[in-house]
Amino acid sequence: EDQVTQSPEALRLQEGESSSLNCSYTVSGLRGLFWYRQDPGKGPEFLFTLYSAGEEKEKERLKATLTKKESFLHITAPKPEDSATYLCAVQAGNTGNQFYFGTGTSLTVIP
Amino acid sequence: DTAVSQTPKYLVTQMGNDKSIKCEQNLGHDTMYWYKQDSKKFLKIMFSYNNKELIINETVPNRFSPKSPDKAHLNLHINSLELGDSAVYFCASSQGIVNIQYFGAGTRLSVL
Repeated sequence: EDQVTQSPEALRLQEGESSSLNCSYTVSGLRGLFWYRQDPGKGPEFLFTLYSAGEEKEKERLKATLTKKESFLHITAPKPEDSATYLCAVQAGNTGNQFYFGTGTSLTVIP
Repeated sequence: DTAVSQTPKYLVTQMGNDKSIKCEQNLGHDTMYWYKQDSKKFLKIMFSYNNKELIINETVPNRFSPKSPDKAHLNLHINSLELGDSAVYFCASSQGIVNIQYFGAGTRLSVL
């Protein structure tokens, strides 16, 4: 069964304490893996897209990596404004019409 | 100018009523989506239209019916509302099917 699993469910970090979020997926025919950030009361906001194993993308304190089974979102020296829920989404299938979101990791960065 | 806008932002209604949520995007995208986010924040795709053609139609009650009058609009009509329909509904759009999706701010539906 196709699925996307994120861990941990919740993460509390001290400001400056680096860590990683995990997204594991089991789908056939991966077309793309997406990371989004969602703030309370708002819609998800796009962060990164990864298309093939070995690919890496970086933006400010965030870096996303992809293997054949999982993706990591590395957060380096986080700040309180990085507090949000981080969602992983996988698009699969011949036409890309299979779309699955993970349940998210709620990140809290304490000053 | 908001890229993907949904109306209303909040919707409170009684069981058994029929309601609609409207979505409009001004990004010139050809694909639009409806998602349901439950109380545990799980985001599940419901429908997707590409160039006004239904391409994703997940297992949802047939009380939910999407309508796409043109590429810039995708509305969601819900008949005979039930308590379990209470959730936040998000609209999104993208250029092409496998691409970045841009989300609206959500419509919080409460069924009493």
